[in-house]
Amino acid sequence: GENVEQHPSTLSVQEGDSAVIKCTYSDSASNYFPWYKQELGKGPQLIIDIRSNVGEKKDQRIAVTLNKTAKHFSLHITETQPEDSAVYFCAASKNNNNDMRFGAGTRLTVKP
Amino acid sequence: DGGITQSPKYLFRKEGQNVTLSCEQNLNHDAMYWYRQDPGQGLRLIYYSQIVNDFQKGDIAEGYSVSREKKESFPLTVTSAQKNPTAFYLCASCNGGVGELFFGEGSRLTVL
Repeated sequence: GENVEQHPSTLSVQEGDSAVIKCTYSDSASNYFPWYKQELGKGPQLIIDIRSNVGEKKDQRIAVTLNKTAKHFSLHITETQPEDSAVYFCAASKNNNNDMRFGAGTRLTVKP
Repeated sequence: DGGITQSPKYLFRKEGQNVTLSCEQNLNHDAMYWYRQDPGQGLRLIYYSQIVNDFQKGDIAEGYSVSREKKESFPLTVTSAQKNPTAFYLCASCNGGVGELFFGEGSRLTVL
């Protein structure tokens, strides 16, 4: 089955700097790659996703890149703000959410 | 407001007792899911249901049971057979079984 690895497990940046979180996946048939943000004591919330027919997607300060050949995808957050502090999860799935597998998460801290 | 409601938010139980966690959604989604979250680990799928009166085991179903008698409701029972039940439990739903997962705020179960 699919295996998703996520790095780093913790990341600390200064406000205004960029943050990059990387994930690799094992199943070349995976075609949907979402990123979720989880604030303390809350459930995860989708912030951006990408499908395998595109290489990059942007939404304001957040971007995701996908390299299908290397089987890795990354989350990029620019001009970080303290409210970006949270745990971020990547995930990968094939045809439906039943086979979605999550990375272990990255705890991002943005220092003011 | 549409969303997913989980209750209780915190629950303490003695070892050997069964516990039922509630999950209700008013998003009119067909698919519902239960995940377990442990520190430093990604979300792991316990059970999922794509339609009423049908559900399937996920990766870590042992020691858990579910029912899906109504579209809006997908309760999870943590039985005494679950060897390590202390965890954060997340319920989610999805429209059509693929794409964005909508999560509840979670239930933290502590077994003493």
